[in-house]
Amino acid sequence: GEDVEQSLFLSVREGDSSVINCTYTDSSSTYLYWYKQEPGAGLQLLTYIFSNMDMKQDQRLTVLLNKKDKHLSLRIADTQTGDSAIYFCAESRGSTLGRLYFGRGTQLTVWP
Amino acid sequence: EADIYQTPRYLVIGTGKKITLECSQTMGHDKMYWYQQDPGMELHLIHYSYGVNSTEKGDLSSESTVSRIRTEHFPLTLESARPSHTSQYLCASSEGTGLNTGELFFGEGSRLTVL
Repeated sequence: GEDVEQSLFLSVREGDSSVINCTYTDSSSTYLYWYKQEPGAGLQLLTYIFSNMDMKQDQRLTVLLNKKDKHLSLRIADTQTGDSAIYFCAESRGSTLGRLYFGRGTQLTVWP
Repeated sequence: EADIYQTPRYLVIGTGKKITLECSQTMGHDKMYWYQQDPGMELHLIHYSYGVNSTEKGDLSSESTVSRIRTEHFPLTLESARPSHTSQYLCASSEGTGLNTGELFFGEGSRLTVL
């Protein structure tokens, strides 16, 4: 089974907020990440959160972490058409920093 | 902006050909990785290296091989390509030491199609 799970698709209207959810299974995860992949490109790190934090905010992005439920979410405020991309949740485990485990990615489509 | 480069970006070849996907980074990172990505699927780690002359197989079994003779270079080779090898291959690197966050820097990917 999957270690990191995400829904595959999300559609929102421009200007609305987007919330992308992720669940993971390994309680020893030290960092959790959100990566963005635009068409024809590699993955770029959007933001990350250390496992002892509950929330991290960076401009339009808010990451919430619920360690008890092993649930991670990414909220994008005032979503723009340029935010349309695939968003990957990923976790690193224990001391194996740099070796990440990815979900399948959520395709975010923003309608004008 | 990440300084990690992959060539070729796109490759279409016939069955049985030998191919090498190149990956180079100029950040001096010790750790390098190859991930395989199919549409709608997780990225699967197929090879990684923690330094020169160090290579390990990843979580997904792959018929490809890698080498790490220089820090900046981590090529992936398929001796005899088959249609089942059709996929996107992503190279990444990360810092190996210090209080880092484990962030991976990705190349733009090599999309391989085997006919």
